[in-house]
Amino acid sequence: AQTVTQSQPEMSVQEAETVTLSCTYDTSESDYYLFWYKQPPSRQMILVIRQEAYKQQNATENRFSVNFQKAAKSFSLKISDSQLGDAAMYFCAYASSGGGADGLTFGKGTHLIIQP
Amino acid sequence: DAGVIQSPRHEVTEMGQEVTLRCKLISGHNSLFWYRQTMMRGLELLIYFNNNVPIDDSGMPEDRFSAKMPNASFSTLKIQPSEPRDSAVYFCASISPSRDTEAFFGQGTRLTVV
Repeated sequence: AQTVTQSQPEMSVQEAETVTLSCTYDTSESDYYLFWYKQPPSRQMILVIRQEAYKQQNATENRFSVNFQKAAKSFSLKISDSQLGDAAMYFCAYASSGGGADGLTFGKGTHLIIQP
Repeated sequence: DAGVIQSPRHEVTEMGQEVTLRCKLISGHNSLFWYRQTMMRGLELLIYFNNNVPIDDSGMPEDRFSAKMPNASFSTLKIQPSEPRDSAVYFCASISPSRDTEAFFGQGTRLTVV
């Protein structure tokens, strides 16, 4: 079974600064997908960014980028120019080669606080 | 498209009562997932369906939990009888067959069993 570990229960960053959230995972599969989801106080789960394991290039979405280290089974999220609206819980998630058709395995989450 | 719709948003019930949570999928999506979120255990996959057929219910905690998908657009998760430890936020999510790397989540139902 796959496991996802987020070792930082809470992170705090000054507005406009850069912050990196950590995620490690364990799997015996060679083909899989990794995701970061954002959950603001509204509870809505919002997909931030996804990475296919077969792609060596790190995914980017505007101010959000990942550092995917397949050998180390590490998948960190970098948020540049942090904004107050980025404050939320962030969940790292794993999906097997079906891409999500078998469901997602989530980490316990990191609570991100943005200091004005 | 209105997205995945869950009802009710909040439910408070007494221990021993039956609780039914509802989920309407996005039109055209063919996979449906039920997740439970608690502080202690995080987000856990309970059960998922593909084309209305239950594929894996190994995450359902006890026989008190049951889920159905009577048609392609609707699903229910039932707890009977409910217990205080069932208190959690329950999410459903759906996936499109043409874009199966992105799960669309509903806004969740916060269940409180007193």
